[in-house]
Amino acid sequence: NAGVMQNPRHLVRRRGQEARLRCSPMKGHSHVYWYRQLPEEGLKFMVYLQKENIIDESGMPKERFSAEFPKEGPSILRIQQVVRGDSAAYFCASSRLGEQQYFGPGTRLTVT
Amino acid sequence: DQQVKQNSPSLSVQEGRISILNCDYTNSMFDYFLWYKKYPAEGPTFLISISSIKDKNEDGRFTVFLNKSAKHLSLHIVPSQPGDSAVYFCAASGPNFGNEKLTFGTGTRLTIIP
Repeated sequence: NAGVMQNPRHLVRRRGQEARLRCSPMKGHSHVYWYRQLPEEGLKFMVYLQKENIIDESGMPKERFSAEFPKEGPSILRIQQVVRGDSAAYFCASSRLGEQQYFGPGTRLTVT
Repeated sequence: DQQVKQNSPSLSVQEGRISILNCDYTNSMFDYFLWYKKYPAEGPTFLISISSIKDKNEDGRFTVFLNKSAKHLSLHIVPSQPGDSAVYFCAASGPNFGNEKLTFGTGTRLTIIP
């Protein structure tokens, strides 16, 4: 009964490169949420997806960031042309409709 | 605009005593509140929750109290144990819990002193 899985756990990118973060929800969960935690801060909501649909992207930066949750396969958070300010821990959570969110271990992105 | 606030960045408590972590919120639309515990290099783990129709919820050593008029909630841990040392986040959801985002506080680092 695996929990939410995220990979990679650590990702180092140079400025200007692309970062792809993957999230596999728990079995039976069709809702995925992405949150970002900057150093010494709380988790900030980015985007909420259901299979093949973006439900709420009110927390996503307007440029360079995108997310998808295809019918098959993991959810992907994509950051294009990364900058130093993108360095953070990115957490994915999954849930069933109407139930609490379960979090993955996070991906720590470092931009050099 | 920080809608969920945890004003104590850190707290130290003697083992066996009560730990009380506080959280304030400003958004009247919040309807459901949760506490998460987080160890370094791990994701947050759900601890306990409370709906706005209640003022108390208890689960083993953990009790959450909600004061809607004051827009304040607290988490009590009794008795505190060394394994409770972690960062604790308060989170809130609107009436559509389970189908919408969570808004988190900035966290309180709890240290239990043996």
